[in-house]
Amino acid sequence: AQKITQTQPGMFVQEKEAVTLDCTYDTSDPSYGLFWYKQPSSGEMIFLIYQGSYDQQNATEGRYSLNFQKARKSANLVISASQLGDSAMYFCAIRDNYGQNFVFGPGTRLSVLP
Amino acid sequence: GAGVSQSPSNKVTEKGKDVELRCDPISGHTALYWYRQSLGQGLEFLIYFQGNSAPDKSGLPSDRFSAERTGGSVSTLTIQRTQQEDSAVYLCASSLVGTGGANQPQHFGDGTRLSIL
Repeated sequence: AQKITQTQPGMFVQEKEAVTLDCTYDTSDPSYGLFWYKQPSSGEMIFLIYQGSYDQQNATEGRYSLNFQKARKSANLVISASQLGDSAMYFCAIRDNYGQNFVFGPGTRLSVLP
Repeated sequence: GAGVSQSPSNKVTEKGKDVELRCDPISGHTALYWYRQSLGQGLEFLIYFQGNSAPDKSGLPSDRFSAERTGGSVSTLTIQRTQQEDSAVYLCASSLVGTGGANQPQHFGDGTRLSIL
């Protein structure tokens, strides 16, 4: 069975600074995908970034990058130059190549301070 | 529209009544998922449909919950004899299942906010 752990229930960051949100995972599948989603207070789930288990490079999407350490089973999200609009819940998820289902972590609530 | 559509957006009903929640996935997405989210909490997986395969119902909390997906497209989540603890936001998502499959993200609807009085 797959599992996602997000050990930071809440995080604070000063506007314009970078922040790292932790995500560790457990899976026995050799092929899988890792995803990060953002959920602002309005409730919608927004897909941010994807990392494949066989990708050699860390994924980047604008101000978002994924610090992928496969041996440590870690997929931390890095947000650079934080903005007030980054305040939201952030969920890490894993999808295996066989079951096709997603497993989500409990989330981290990020608050960006002016 | 091109996104996942859920209806109704809000539903208020009395304890003991049955409710039906609808999800219209993105056209061409063969995978469909239902989740429940209580206020300030994470996503609770309910059920997963993939093409013509038998659905993964392992997340349904009780036999009062059921879901179907007709014609591989629209899905309905039914809660019978609702109880106050069923109050939550019910989210639907759909996804492509491409070659390999693991690299396709989910696309979520805006959810149905269910309130049981």
